[in-house]
This record gives sequence, C-alpha cells and structure tokens, in this order.
Amino acid sequence: SQQGEEDPQALSIQEGENATMNCSYKTSINNLQWYRQNSGRGLVHLILIRSNEREKHSGRLRVTLDTSKKSSSLLITASRAADTASYFCATDKNTGNQFYFGTGTSLTVIP
Amino acid sequence: DGGITQSPKYLFRKEGQNVTLSCEQNLNHDAMYWYRQDPGQGLRLIYYSQIVNDFQKGDIAEGYSVSREKKESFPLTVTSAQKNPTAFYLCASSWTGNIQPQHFGDGTRLSIL
Repeated sequence: SQQGEEDPQALSIQEGENATMNCSYKTSINNLQWYRQNSGRGLVHLILIRSNEREKHSGRLRVTLDTSKKSSSLLITASRAADTASYFCATDKNTGNQFYFGTGTSLTVIP
Repeated sequence: DGGITQSPKYLFRKEGQNVTLSCEQNLNHDAMYWYRQDPGQGLRLIYYSQIVNDFQKGDIAEGYSVSREKKESFPLTVTSAQKNPTAFYLCASSWTGNIQPQHFGDGTRLSIL
C-alpha cells in the first residue's frame, strides 16, 4: 500500500528540546500533510507541503520533503508539554482529495 | 463557531444490532469522509462523499453504509455484517479539489457489549 510510515513510533523528550519525527512513503505524491491528534480527539491539520517544495515553516514547525528518498520530516522546536500528542503524515492518493494516513508517532513532552 | 460535530461520543452495540453514528458540519464543505482508527494504527477510509446524494466506498466499506441527503450531514451506519466494529470512528470534511486539508470531528468510540 502507499501508506506512510512514521518513525519513531514513540518519542519522549524534555520540555524545551526539539522533536523530530519522520515519514516514509512508497509511491509518488502531489502533496504531503502533517496532522496532530490529542488523545481521544480528532485530527488537526498542521501543515501541507507540495511535491515541488523542499521545506516549509509554520511557527515552531518545520517540515522537509525529499521526494527522491520518498520521505518527510517534521521538526517541532522548543517543545512544550502541550505538544504531547500523536502526529500523523498523510499522502495523497491521486484520486480526488483522499489520503493515506500513516500509523503515527506518539510524542510525550515531559515538563 | 464553524466545525464538525460527531455524536454520540461513546456508543455501545449489542451483537446483531445496527447503529448509526452522526456527523454534522457547518463549514459549508462539499466533501465529507468517514474513517476508522484502531489502536496503534493509522486512519482507514470507510466511505466518502464529494457531493450531496453521491458517495463512494473507501478501503474498508464492507459492513458499513452511509447516506448524504443534506450537505451538512453524513451519517454512518455500522451494520450487523461488520464483524469487528469496535473502533474509534472519525468524520472529516473538506473543500473539493486536490490539496485540501481535512477538518475532523472529535470522534465516536464504538464498543460491543
């Protein structure tokens, strides 16, 4: 399947540190999105990067995309306890606005 | 406030019973989606609809049914044919066209009694 896979599955860091999580996918894409999910809640869209972009910033978030390696990374700088959540990458299916969601990285930020 | 409302938050089903999960949005989005999330797994698409009175099967449609009679509403019925219905169900909506972020409700957790 084209499902993205995040790495690591779980990450635990101290508040103030940076958190990096990676996403790998299998076939060509038009865009890749990152979402966040707090426990027991729905997903919240964080950032979208198109296949012709290599890097994108939004506040404390930095996303990179390497289409040659079929991978993306999400960097959260100066992490806060409130960043504790699961983070998912989503790649488009080339059929309308549908996506494959990865299995997620569970991030714990320790105060 | 604009958003997506899913109800109920928790739902219990007896064996052989159909149950319907509600999803309502006031974002004026044309497209709506239903996903299933199992522990430690990503989201899997059940059904989606790009326009009123039209919907398509996703990757795991067996044992589920939907309707789209109004733009704002996209209810999901989990039928007795779905043998493993225990999961977290998420509804989403978006504008149509490529490269549109999806907006999610807060989910319904369905359990079998």
